[in-house]
Amino acid sequence: RKEVEQDPGPFNVPEGATVAFNCTYSNSASQSFFWYRQDCRKEPKLLMSVYSSGNEDGRFTAQLNRASQYISLLIRDSKLSDSATYLCVVNNQAGTALIFGKGTTLSVSS
Amino acid sequence: NAGVTQTPKFQVLKTGQSMTLQCAQDMNHNSMYWYRQDPGMGLRLIYYSASEGTTDKGEVPNGYNVSRLNKREFSLRLESAAPSQTSVYFCASSENRNEAFFGQGTRLTVV
Repeated sequence: RKEVEQDPGPFNVPEGATVAFNCTYSNSASQSFFWYRQDCRKEPKLLMSVYSSGNEDGRFTAQLNRASQYISLLIRDSKLSDSATYLCVVNNQAGTALIFGKGTTLSVSS
Repeated sequence: NAGVTQTPKFQVLKTGQSMTLQCAQDMNHNSMYWYRQDPGMGLRLIYYSASEGTTDKGEVPNGYNVSRLNKREFSLRLESAAPSQTSVYFCASSENRNEAFFGQGTRLTVV
């Protein structure tokens, strides 16, 4: 099993739609979880950290299920500007490095 | 605030040539990383350094060497470049288990 797995998509949605991305991770000892966003030919940038209690930032909601080793990202009221690749990130077994999923591509159309 | 600076931004090498990718961060982070990104493969960890003076192999270390010169700088060396090393290389830094900040990337082509 890969350390971090994501559905690669692409997800093609109209503006205003709600879309959810899922991610599973293999290391039960992981302590840090993030969602990053990467635009075409740019570096990845932090979208939000993921906390055990779940957290929300505007239209974005992240949830963590430690028992199932599962992370999710929900985007409500999608905008054209949300079109990007979303990367699920988890720290490694030793807690010394960040491991990235392959990313899920989102395309929002008008 | 520069964050993470990588040089060069673009490079073309011939097979067998060597080169060093430079990375520096000004955030006083302990951890630094080198990733490569290929289409359909996502970001794969080449090497990382959890603190000054230590380096560890990541998922795809073969063909690369690294040096943690000091707390600020972490370089990646290709001793004998191969076409399979054509990729986009990202350097990143982080503090403890917090978020990582990335440089703008180096686009390397090996012909």
